[in-house]
Amino acid sequence: QQQVKQSPQSLIVQKGGISIINCAYENTAFDYFPWYQQFPGKGPALLIAIRPDVSEKKEGRFTISFNKSAKQFSLHIMDSQPGDSATYFCAAIKGNTPLVFGKGTRLSVIA
Amino acid sequence: DAGITQSPRHKVTETGTPVTLRCHQTENHRYMYWYRQDPGHGLRLIHYSYGVKDTDKGEVSDGYSVSRSKTEDFLLTLESATSSQTSVYFCAIRVSQGKGANVLTFGAGSRLTVL
Repeated sequence: QQQVKQSPQSLIVQKGGISIINCAYENTAFDYFPWYQQFPGKGPALLIAIRPDVSEKKEGRFTISFNKSAKQFSLHIMDSQPGDSATYFCAAIKGNTPLVFGKGTRLSVIA
Repeated sequence: DAGITQSPRHKVTETGTPVTLRCHQTENHRYMYWYRQDPGHGLRLIHYSYGVKDTDKGEVSDGYSVSRSKTEDFLLTLESATSSQTSVYFCAIRVSQGKGANVLTFGAGSRLTVL
């Protein structure tokens, strides 16, 4: 049973456009929601994270929107650049239990 | 990679041979994890450790064992490698961002090919 469902699997965006990746979860006990960015040949790296009591968090061009009632959260990349081309994973964690990951979205930003 | 070293980074082996992957951390973190990454499956947890000699299974633990005899090292062993274990393996440590916010920091990965 997949606890965090991520969509789309792949995404192609024009340079300067907005990239949107969506995730949905079932377990309302999750208390932290990080996003990871992974470049080919590298390990995933923490990009941005949010608590469920916050509806939005912004760091530069990256924004997480969180809808607690719908049990959904999304990553928005504004002014997408070719250097943003990577695989993005949403995740959720509850206390000391292991992090649960979505299956990932491969983003390609084309000029 | 934030004080995490995985070795070897690349390994090619034959079916039926034992393989051990090593994860070494320099930051004295209590929690360590082994994930495997495969196309279409994302990151799947194999085993994790919450202290020296304290380990637990993840969702894909069959065919794998782990050991943690000291805080800084977490070993993943494939007793008899199979082709289905061809994958990229990532070690991670848990880092607290304060107020109960826990995230993972990953190593660079170990690419294992079983022929």
